[in-house]
Amino acid sequence: DVKVTQSSRYLVKRTGEKVFLECVQDMDHENMFWYRQDPGLGLRLIYFSYDVKMKEKGDIPEGYSVSREKKERFSLILESASTNQTSMYLCASSTQGRRTSGRHEQYFGPGTRLTVT
Amino acid sequence: AQSVTQLGSHVSVSEGALVLLRCNYSSSVPPYLFWYVQYPNQGLQLLLKYTSAATLVKGINGFEAEFKKSETSFHLTKPSAHMSDAAEYFCAVSEVDSSYKLIFGSGTRLLVRP
Repeated sequence: DVKVTQSSRYLVKRTGEKVFLECVQDMDHENMFWYRQDPGLGLRLIYFSYDVKMKEKGDIPEGYSVSREKKERFSLILESASTNQTSMYLCASSTQGRRTSGRHEQYFGPGTRLTVT
Repeated sequence: AQSVTQLGSHVSVSEGALVLLRCNYSSSVPPYLFWYVQYPNQGLQLLLKYTSAATLVKGINGFEAEFKKSETSFHLTKPSAHMSDAAEYFCAVSEVDSSYKLIFGSGTRLLVRP
């Protein structure tokens, strides 16, 4: 069974702290994604990665950075957390396999609900 | 770039009634289309996907969706709602470029009344 895990389900941090959100997938997927989810806004892409050590900005990268040192792990970093980064963070992965449709199907982790006070 | 519109942020139905959740996308090029479901405090789970084969796609839990190119729509239906269907539903479309990105709608929360 495919699996994407995230290091924490709930996290409370103070303004200005450096925050690390970890995501691990066991499907040998090449692509990994970080989204934030806010009511009424759906999922917005923060960063994504097609390969180890590669990263690309999504729609809302400001205030975030990422790291992908190993294929299975994709970390989201909030350099200096702010209250407007209070949100649900979702990690996903997908394959670059031969079947075109399969490349787009994303598998999601359970999410991390981050509160910044 | 693609965009996805989900009409209705909240839909309320009675148990046993028809469920209809609407999704329209922007591209003239037939994309790949997905419906995901999210139960409270969980991640997203794939319900079904359209990948240019049959236009009527059957998914899990009795849901199905029909791809209509002329209407650029991919509405989700279920003949008879169950209390366990209460969740948030997201429509997503693949980006038309060579990336692997999905563009998500803003979501529709389905409420099922007893």
